[in-house]
Amino acid sequence: SQTIHQWPATLVQPVGSPLSLECTVEGTSNPNLYWYRQAAGRGLQLLFYSVGIGQISSEVPQNLSASRPQDRQFILSSKKLLLSDSGFYLCAWGGLTHNGELFFGEGSRLTVL
Amino acid sequence: GQSLEQPSEVTAVEGAIVQINCTYQTSGFYGLSWYQQHDGGAPTFLSYNALDGLEETGRFSSFLSRSDSYGYLLLQELQMKDSASYFCAVGGGGGNKLTFGTGTQLKVEL
Repeated sequence: SQTIHQWPATLVQPVGSPLSLECTVEGTSNPNLYWYRQAAGRGLQLLFYSVGIGQISSEVPQNLSASRPQDRQFILSSKKLLLSDSGFYLCAWGGLTHNGELFFGEGSRLTVL
Repeated sequence: GQSLEQPSEVTAVEGAIVQINCTYQTSGFYGLSWYQQHDGGAPTFLSYNALDGLEETGRFSSFLSRSDSYGYLLLQELQMKDSASYFCAVGGGGGNKLTFGTGTQLKVEL
C-alpha cells in the first residue's frame, strides 16, 4: 500500500533562518507531488507541484522553493524565512488520472518568530 | 484562474442532515472533490464528481451540476465525530492539481 511521510512535524524558526521540509512517498512510482500551505483557519493554498524528477511548477511567487531530487522525494526550502511563512505545510501525492483524489502527509507546522 | 465559495460555518444537531454548498469558477474543469479535515490533522478524501448527478458513499453524498458550476456535500445521520472542516476542490490544468475552497467548519451539537 502507498504511504506518505513528511517531517519534521513541528518546528519553530527565527526570522531569517533557512528551512527544509522533506516528504517521501512509498508504494507508488512516478507520482504527482504537491506542496500546500494552510494558514490558521484558512483553506489550502497550492505552492508547488511536480510531475517528475526535476520538474517543478510554482503556483505563487514567494519566499520558498521546491525540489524533487528523486522520484518519490519532494523538498520544500527557504533561504531566509519571513514571519508570513508561518503555517501548516502539507505534502500530497496523486496519480496520473483525473480522479480528484490526493493523499496528504501528516503536515508540518511551522512557526516563524 | 479558479475560485470556490462555500459557507464558513454550519451548525447542526446529532442525527440531523446537513448540506454544504460549493460554487466555483474555473478555467478548465475535470471534477469536484470533497475533503474532510479534523483540527490539527491532514485532509482526507471523501468523494469526487466528474459528471452531473449524485454520488453516494455511506452516510455521505455529493452532487454536481456542471451547468450551474455548483455542487454540494450531504451528510446524513450526523455524528459528533463529523465535526470537522469540509473543503470542496476543483481539478483542472496541468499536473492534476486541485484548487481548494476556504472550507466550511461543521459543528455537530447534541
